[in-house]
Amino acid sequence: DAGVTQSPTHLIKTRGQQVTLRCSPKSGHDTVSWYQQALGQGPQFIFQYYEEEERQRGNFPDRFSGHQFPNYSSELNVNALWLGDSALYLCASSPGSDAHKAFFGQGTRLTVV
Amino acid sequence: RKEVEQDPGPFNVPEGATVAFNCTYSNSASQSFFWYRQDCRKEPKLLMSVYSSGNEDGRFTAQLNRASQYISLLIRDSKLSDSATYLCVVEPGYSSASKIIFGSGTRLSIRP
Repeated sequence: DAGVTQSPTHLIKTRGQQVTLRCSPKSGHDTVSWYQQALGQGPQFIFQYYEEEERQRGNFPDRFSGHQFPNYSSELNVNALWLGDSALYLCASSPGSDAHKAFFGQGTRLTVV
Repeated sequence: RKEVEQDPGPFNVPEGATVAFNCTYSNSASQSFFWYRQDCRKEPKLLMSVYSSGNEDGRFTAQLNRASQYISLLIRDSKLSDSATYLCVVEPGYSSASKIIFGSGTRLSIRP
């Protein structure tokens, strides 16, 4: 079992660009949540996908959008990147609504310059 | 007020010491509570759940105080390998589509 896999592991983008991050959930998990973790902070909830729909959303602007595919994998898109978007982006998968049984991927470290 | 608040530390204690962290939460209707551990530049991993009656897992003890809206984590006989950031996590549970809310974490450093 590969667990939760994220790609790419590191990424450098220029302010104003767009980025797409990818996540493959743990086998048997159908729910994917995305988190942003700035340096020295805890992960902040961005949104959660279940059955290809955004089920919940945190306090993030519309520049942050996502998608879930029929195989449960997910993408996080960020448009018009700001310097402040530099962070570790974590994907967590869980079975159904058992959010606390979430397994995290190792994250994508995004640097915006 | 943040939904989940933790003392950021760092806590710097000698090997073998006992150390305790607290975490407060603002939503009195919160249903589930957890401690996660995050090593430097790694992803968070579930350490233990926190139950109303308190629970123990080896050297780790977690407690929940609903009246005062805080949870605690006690580590006994600390090891060098316990050095990490400990994240307090609350699941509001007010809908079937729950999300988990993280505190900012408490950094723990165990010195030889």
